[in-house]
Parts: sequence; C-alpha cells; structure tokens
Amino acid sequence: QKEVEQNSGPLSVPEGAIASLNCTYSDRGSQSFFWYRQYSGKSPELIMFIYSNGDKEDGRFTAQLNKASQYVSLLIRDSQPSDSATYLCAVLSGGYNKLIFGAGTRLAVHP
Amino acid sequence: EAQVTQNPRYLITVTGKKLTVTCSQNMNHEYMSWYRQDPGLGLRQIYYSMNVEVTDKGDVPEGYKVSRKEKRNFPLILESPSPNQTSLYFCASSFTGTSEETQYFGPGTRLLVL
Repeated sequence: QKEVEQNSGPLSVPEGAIASLNCTYSDRGSQSFFWYRQYSGKSPELIMFIYSNGDKEDGRFTAQLNKASQYVSLLIRDSQPSDSATYLCAVLSGGYNKLIFGAGTRLAVHP
Repeated sequence: EAQVTQNPRYLITVTGKKLTVTCSQNMNHEYMSWYRQDPGLGLRQIYYSMNVEVTDKGDVPEGYKVSRKEKRNFPLILESPSPNQTSLYFCASSFTGTSEETQYFGPGTRLLVL
C-alpha cells in the first residue's frame, strides 16, 4: 500500500466549475498535510496546508481534512484554465523531517 | 530575491561517469533536501540535511551521496550513475524542516543517463 495515494486523473472540469481533488494516507500519526501545484516542467509550489480536522479556506481554494478517515481533499472553486496542472498531496510523517508525496492528480480545466 | 538554485538544469551523461548537481539557497535555511520525481511515483526523498555537517538518508538514497559543508550549499553526487537514475531532481529548503514551514523548491535538474 502506498503511503499517500491520489487518483492520477486526468480530472477534467469545465471553466467555472468546482474541481475536487482527493488524497488518502496510511500513517495515522501524520499531523501536517500539504497541497502543492506543479505546472508541467516546473517545480512544485505550495498552495495550501492544513493541520486540524475540518475545512480551511484561502481564496478559491478549500482544503478539507478528516483524520479519522485519513483523507485530505482540495476544492478549487470557479476553476480557471490557469488552474490546469498536477496537484500533489504531501504528508509530513515520521517526525518533522520526512515529507511523503502522492504521485499527483492531473487537472485539466477546459473553456 | 529569495530562491533555491540548481545547476545544471539539464544533463546528459553516460553510465559510470561521476557527476555533481549543485544546490544553493540564499534564505539562510537550515533544512535542505533532495528529491527525485518519476512518472507515476511522485516525489521521493533521496537525502536531507538538518544543518551543516548533518545529513541523513531519505527513502531512496542508494547510488547517491551528499555533503553539507556550508549552510547555503547541498550538492548531490552520483559517483557512478546508472540508467535507473534518469529522473527529474529537485532540491528544496526550509528554515528548520518542521511542520509549520513550507519547503521552497529549486527549478529542477533533468538528468538522462545513457
């Protein structure tokens, strides 16, 4: 079982719709969860992090965490073509020096 | 400008020819790390360093070496590269590597080993 799992996609949504990206993790002791966006050929950039159960909103982005279900999600409202990228879920595990990444979900927003 | 730089950005080499990929950050970060990214596998940590002269293995350290003689630099060394080390490599840094911080990534080095 992979430590951090994501659907590889592609997830295709029309412009203006809500994109929902999901991630599950295996380490129950994980405390910190991150979403990175990576454009093709570029380095990952952090867009959201969440530590507590529930929702965290930042502009068009909402991260949701459910530790009991070991599940993290990212919602992107009013999706734009510029949101088309690969979204990486990452979990800080085993202390504070090991960031485990999922393989990423490719999002395609079409006009 | 705060940044993490890597050199070279692209490299084609042959099996067995030693190479070094440099990484430098100008943010006075203590924590630095190397990742490789392969299709379908995501980013996997190779080595990390909590501070000068302190390094430790990540998930996939075989075939790699690192050193941390200065705070700003964290070179990745491939003593005898093999084709299975063909990958996209990222260096990253953060202040201390704790959960409250984001890691800043370099632009990446695309390596092809023939």
